[in-house]
Amino acid sequence: GQNIDQPTEMTATEGAIVQINCTYQTSGFNGLFWYQQHAGEAPTFLSYNVLDGLEEKGRFSSFLSRSKGYSYLLLKELQMKDSASYLCACYYMEYGNKLVFGAGTILRVKS
Amino acid sequence: DTAVSQTPKYLVTQMGNDKSIKCEQNLGHDTMYWYKQDSKKFLKIMFSYNNKELIINETVPNRFSPKSPDKAHLNLHINSLELGDSAVYFCASSQALRHPSYGYTFGSGTRLTVV
Repeated sequence: GQNIDQPTEMTATEGAIVQINCTYQTSGFNGLFWYQQHAGEAPTFLSYNVLDGLEEKGRFSSFLSRSKGYSYLLLKELQMKDSASYLCACYYMEYGNKLVFGAGTILRVKS
Repeated sequence: DTAVSQTPKYLVTQMGNDKSIKCEQNLGHDTMYWYKQDSKKFLKIMFSYNNKELIINETVPNRFSPKSPDKAHLNLHINSLELGDSAVYFCASSQALRHPSYGYTFGSGTRLTVV
């Protein structure tokens, strides 16, 4: 299988910074996505990393290390609306070109 | 304009019934998918089609049969529904099979409840 591991839940304070980690199986790996999913809604695309390094997009940044099979999503200046589930997903070409999701990290932002 | 639309949004039905969920995308994407999200919120791929051709067929019971009449539509038919089929089913599409950098666009989901 393609084990994708991320913490189940995290809690952070409004205005703070939070880092959500994700580890994955490297065999056949060809890119990593982060998605945000609010309760009862569809997942929405946040970021895509295929090369090592940091991709910054406003308050959100995503980092990838292919050799370590590791990624993180960094959320700055947290807002209450950031309370959601954050899904790490990996694209595997040797398994029929499919996007495999982790179980998601529920982030709770408190005031 | 809805990019990926699924119908119905909610579906409550009895065990043993047969039901269909429809999905349409107006993004011009070549590839479409069905994902199942269970009560633990785990999103798991079921099927993918590229330009009407079945590409991925995960270990899904034969009671589930996808149909793609054209590349803009991917429907899911489920026979003999069971309690364990209760979940949220998401349709998604992507630009091209080998160039995923733009990500998948998901429909709003169909919440299926089997009673």
